[in-house]
Amino acid sequence: NAGVMQNPRHLVRRRGQEARLRCSPMKGHSHVYWYRQLPEEGLKFMVYLQKENIIDESGMPKERFSAEFPKEGPSILRIQQVVRGDSAAYFCASATGPPENIQYFGAGTRLSVL
Amino acid sequence: GNSVTQMEGPVTLSEEAFLTINCTYTATGYPSLFWYVQYPGEGLQLLLKATKADDKGSNKGFEATYRKETTSFHLEKGSVQVSDSAVYFCALSGSGQGAQKLVFGQGTRLTINP
Repeated sequence: NAGVMQNPRHLVRRRGQEARLRCSPMKGHSHVYWYRQLPEEGLKFMVYLQKENIIDESGMPKERFSAEFPKEGPSILRIQQVVRGDSAAYFCASATGPPENIQYFGAGTRLSVL
Repeated sequence: GNSVTQMEGPVTLSEEAFLTINCTYTATGYPSLFWYVQYPGEGLQLLLKATKADDKGSNKGFEATYRKETTSFHLEKGSVQVSDSAVYFCALSGSGQGAQKLVFGQGTRLTINP
């Protein structure tokens, strides 16, 4: 059973470009969470999705950031018009959902904005 | 809102030393508590968890007890190894719909010297 798969592992973008980060959850998991980790800091929650629905986006910046988890295919975190402050590691986690509350993390995508 | 506070690092110990990493939390209701470990360049791995007061989570020689009276979940290991060098994160999740997002502490970097 493959774990949570994120790609790419490393992504370099110039200011103003778009970044697309992909996350394929573990088999049987329909809940996906995105977190951001700034250098030397803990992870901060961004968004929680179930298939085709955004459940909680309270941690997502209001502008430039969006997320989706379509019926088929991976979850996508999209950052438009990237700025240097977007440079961070972005982690995806998947879970089966309540009452089981364990989240399994992918290896992350490290975004560098030049 | 919910929050987690960890002892600040970095922590450096010699092999076979006793380890304690302190973690306290603030939360409404009855959160679940977790310790995750992050090795260099990798995602987070669940180390142990506890879901109710007085539960003890344990794994790979690590232990932590859910203490509701002191709102703490300190991580301990009796004899550390070089391979335990990593960053350790304490985290909590709430209950109920939409409350499963993890709230992380800032992380504690642990280095074990031979």
